[in-house]
Amino acid sequence: SAVISQKPSRDICQRGTSLTIQCQVDSQVTMMFWYRQQPGQSLTLIATANQGSEATYESGFVIDKFPISRPNLTFSTLTVSNMSPEDSSIYLCSVAASGNNEQFFGPGTRLTVL
Amino acid sequence: GENVEQHPSTLSVQEGDSAVIKCTYSDSASNYFPWYKQELGKGPQLIIDIRSNVGEKKDQRIAVTLNKTAKHFSLHITETQPEDSAVYFCAPTGYSTLTFGKGTMLLVSP
Repeated sequence: SAVISQKPSRDICQRGTSLTIQCQVDSQVTMMFWYRQQPGQSLTLIATANQGSEATYESGFVIDKFPISRPNLTFSTLTVSNMSPEDSSIYLCSVAASGNNEQFFGPGTRLTVL
Repeated sequence: GENVEQHPSTLSVQEGDSAVIKCTYSDSASNYFPWYKQELGKGPQLIIDIRSNVGEKKDQRIAVTLNKTAKHFSLHITETQPEDSAVYFCAPTGYSTLTFGKGTMLLVSP
């Protein structure tokens, strides 16, 4: 399986600011996804990061709040904009090969908003 | 969309016992059934999966069984060890995106 890294691993931010999270994969992958995991909860899909085009967002998530970039097949970023304490969560990226449901996850970014 | 229920929410066993976690789903189009293990402070790890044309799959101490008619699949862990302690998630899907269950916290006591 692919080796996935995320930066930063954790951060503490002030409300009203923005944070950009990076996801790097050691091989080219077709699909990249961003998830949110609120404290003690399950994973919720935020969006599918599409290479060369706009991300596909799930219901309840919007581009203005969570802009996503995917400039190539090994890298993606998620920005959490205008943060509030409710955005305190673990943010995870995952990858999958084309036509294969198997998803592999990065280690996550633990975000605390004060 | 897919409705996923996972039971139990917490499971405590003694080392060496077996553990079974069940996942029920609603979408009859689902054809891929993975189980993830998440240890504290880490991302979920894919530990075993099964596709709809197979009824059971084993990998050493872990196995997954699928009942497509009843729309449920289960994770079986035999000879549990303390390092099996973690949160386990099912995530059935018929598409490229996964829908996660709420998770089962497994505690294995020495």
